Amino acid sequence: NAGVTQTPKFQVLKTGQSMTLQCAQDMNHNSMYWYRQDPGMGLRLIYYSASEGTTDKGEVPNGYNVSRLNKREFSLRLESAAPSQTSVYFCASSEQDGRSSYEQYFGPGTRLTVT
Amino acid sequence: SQQGEEDPQALSIQEGENATMNCSYKTSINNLQWYRQNSGRGLVHLILIRSNEREKHSGRLRVTLDTSKKSSSLLITASRAADTASYFCATAYYNQGGKLIFGQGTELSVKP
Repeated sequence: NAGVTQTPKFQVLKTGQSMTLQCAQDMNHNSMYWYRQDPGMGLRLIYYSASEGTTDKGEVPNGYNVSRLNKREFSLRLESAAPSQTSVYFCASSEQDGRSSYEQYFGPGTRLTVT
Repeated sequence: SQQGEEDPQALSIQEGENATMNCSYKTSINNLQWYRQNSGRGLVHLILIRSNEREKHSGRLRVTLDTSKKSSSLLITASRAADTASYFCATAYYNQGGKLIFGQGTELSVKP
């Protein structure tokens, strides 16, 4: 039981390049989330998927797209990377029934640098 | 904008002392959660307290919730060097797809 896995762990991009961050969970959770963490800012929600087949914007969605490929996998895409997207990205999942929120399980993070 | 605000931003104590961190929020919540993050790692869930609960315990952790003041506190008793980490509160709304709003965190340093 691996929990939440993310790939890659580290990535360096040049401005304008694109990439996809992968996330998978093996806990049969309905909901999945993408956050970014910047120094002194805590975690900010980029996008989330309350259930398979649905995605919604979070607090900071600009410059990102997501795909909920199936119940296990939720990917985050940067179409044209910018230095402002240099951050640590975390994927999380949780069991939730649409009314209440439950604990979230986090992956180990992807450290992205855009030069 | 982030809903949770944490205080203090940094806390340094000696092993064996108690550590108290506070979190304030702005609107009505479904529940409030506390997470821990070791340097360079993902967050780990510590404890969840629902809006109709006032206090919860888990091992050396004690969480209180005062909905009238819109605030919560996390107390770590008899701290250890291994408790050194950042601690975040996160607030959850009703009918919001499980979204959490995280505070900026308290950086705790426990010195041996």
